[in-house]
Amino acid sequence: AQSVAQPEDQVNVAEGNPLTVKCTYSVSGNPYLFWYVQYPNRGLQFLLKYITGDNLVKGSYGFEAEFNKSQTSFHLKKPSALVSDSALYFCAVRKGSSNTGKLIFGQGTTLQVKP
Amino acid sequence: GAVVSQHPSWVICKSGTSVKIECRSLDFQATTMFWYRQFPKQSLMLMATSNEGSKATYEQGVEKDKFLINHASLTLSTLTVTSAHPEDSSFYICSAARPGTTYNEQFFGPGTRLTVL
Repeated sequence: AQSVAQPEDQVNVAEGNPLTVKCTYSVSGNPYLFWYVQYPNRGLQFLLKYITGDNLVKGSYGFEAEFNKSQTSFHLKKPSALVSDSALYFCAVRKGSSNTGKLIFGQGTTLQVKP
Repeated sequence: GAVVSQHPSWVICKSGTSVKIECRSLDFQATTMFWYRQFPKQSLMLMATSNEGSKATYEQGVEKDKFLINHASLTLSTLTVTSAHPEDSSFYICSAARPGTTYNEQFFGPGTRLTVL
């Protein structure tokens, strides 16, 4: 069965410091991995994805994530956090390239960036 | 871009009434749409997969008769919460899969906040 784990409920970081939001996954076959951000009372906004190719994926708003197959991880990173990055972040996995592939979401991690 | 809208953005209803939520893909045709439910500060729980012209596929534990899903066209799926009760209060989010991408990327709507009194 597919699963995604985000071990931290909340991550606190000072503005200007680097941030990491952790995600590990379990899926048979090749995983498709995603990061989404959600602001209060809003839907999900796509940040980045890993399908194949380079393990380091760059996405929107300066975020990037590194796919690590041996550790089954896909941690989200940003070199310098902004207060406006404060939001709820979800990691998601999808099994392969099925046309009806379902996304399985992690529990979510609240990122709090303090000035 | 690919835009998905939901209507209404919020709704308050009395217990026992039915509420319909619409999900539209505005600039692409979506043969598959998904409905999620999200409780405060929790993750998205997939409720059902909606396929145009056929019956929806519900996840385990989701009541089919309570959450009626209709995908009548390639740009519209509706979720009807029948005989709503306070425990149905939640944030409902839909997504639409856009064909033609390498993995049928899903685009999410802005969500609908349902409050049942």
